[in-house]
Amino acid sequence: AQRVTQPEKLLSVFKGAPVELKCNYSYSGSPELFWYVQYSRQRLQLLLRHISRESIKGFTADLNKGETSFHLKKPFAQEEDSAMYYCALRSRSSNTGKLIFGQGTTLQVKP
Amino acid sequence: DTGVSQDPRHKITKRGQNVTFRCDPISEHNRLYWYRQTLGQGPEFLTYFQNEAQLEKSRLLSDRFSAERPKGSFSTLEIQRTEQGDSAMYLCASSPWGVLGQWSYNEQFFGPGTRLTVL
Repeated sequence: AQRVTQPEKLLSVFKGAPVELKCNYSYSGSPELFWYVQYSRQRLQLLLRHISRESIKGFTADLNKGETSFHLKKPFAQEEDSAMYYCALRSRSSNTGKLIFGQGTTLQVKP
Repeated sequence: DTGVSQDPRHKITKRGQNVTFRCDPISEHNRLYWYRQTLGQGPEFLTYFQNEAQLEKSRLLSDRFSAERPKGSFSTLEIQRTEQGDSAMYLCASSPWGVLGQWSYNEQFFGPGTRLTVL
């Protein structure tokens, strides 16, 4: 079964501390992994995807196929990073493009 | 604003009533997706359209739900005989599928959602 698991509902850190939001997935084929972010009173938006291998707003995520993980990391958290973060996957072999989301993790960066 | 728009933003209804939501995708996006998000959960796929054709429906979409995308532009999602369990945020997303390749770089752009409360 296809599944995305984000084990932490809430992650609270102080400004300047490192951040790691965990994401594990279960998928039998070859997935494409994403991180979406939703800031307060804003719509869901794409933060980054594994195929791009880029850093967005200081965040990076590496796909670890052995551990089936796609953790989101940032070395120094900023207050403006406070938001809800969703990990999501979609099939690279299916033509539907539908996304399967995890339950989400609220990141709270304290001053 | 050229993003995905949804109307209404909030809907409160009584159990048993019918409701209809509208989604206007980004112009020229050929794919349109509907998701449902309940409290404390991530969005869950409901159905999607390629132009005017509805190509897949989730098992979450009972026969009380119907979606259309006439002329391949805006889409409507109707829920008949609403139940309290239908209370959720209904999200719409659009994507320029196939323009840059089958799956690569085909980002889904989400609307603000319609929050449904069934009393």
